[in-house]
Amino acid sequence: DAKTTQPPSMDCAEGRAANLPCNHSTISGNEYVYWYRQIHSQGPQYIIHGLKNNETNEMASLIITEDRKSSTLILPHATLRDTAVYYCIVRVERNQGGKLIFGQGTELSVKP
Amino acid sequence: NAGVTQTPKFRVLKTGQSMTLLCAQDMNHEYMYWYRQDPGMGLRLIHYSVGEGTTAKGEVPDGYNVSRLKKQNFLLGLESAAPSQTSVYFCASSYEGQGTEAFFGQGTRLTVV
Repeated sequence: DAKTTQPPSMDCAEGRAANLPCNHSTISGNEYVYWYRQIHSQGPQYIIHGLKNNETNEMASLIITEDRKSSTLILPHATLRDTAVYYCIVRVERNQGGKLIFGQGTELSVKP
Repeated sequence: NAGVTQTPKFRVLKTGQSMTLLCAQDMNHEYMYWYRQDPGMGLRLIHYSVGEGTTAKGEVPDGYNVSRLKKQNFLLGLESAAPSQTSVYFCASSYEGQGTEAFFGQGTRLTVV
């Protein structure tokens, strides 16, 4: 299963963009990159996912490099409520169960 | 539309007791997953199911059993609870195994004394 590498922690000023990096150098061609976040000990919350192209939704943007070995999650205007642990996940292919394999994540602290 | 519902939310067990955690989804999802999360760590996959009547082992299956008799329910059983199984348990479901969102429940906090 493809593994992801993320920095353990990051800080961001409120109102600024938060850019969270992720390395996934062993990703295979049909595996998607997913991002989730977890606030305190609540259930993980879906943010965004992508395969090859950059993606944007109301929460965030996902930038995937052309070789697909890394990606960046962008929260355009971080607020205090964005303080959470952010998980970058490579989802295993459908014929292997579509498993979401979590790493340690990045603890993002948004400061006033 | 309740999404993914986990029952119970909290439970304290004595070592050696058994219990079943229930995960129910009302979204007609094929894929369902059970995870555990220990303090300061990411989620680890226990078992999963790709459809009614199917189950498979994840990363940390020892000490757990699962059943998926109905499409909407995925049960996680502990036959003889151990203190090492003290954890927060999360269930997730998704319609497809790739390219769609997976929805998580709010967790079951289990303490084994």
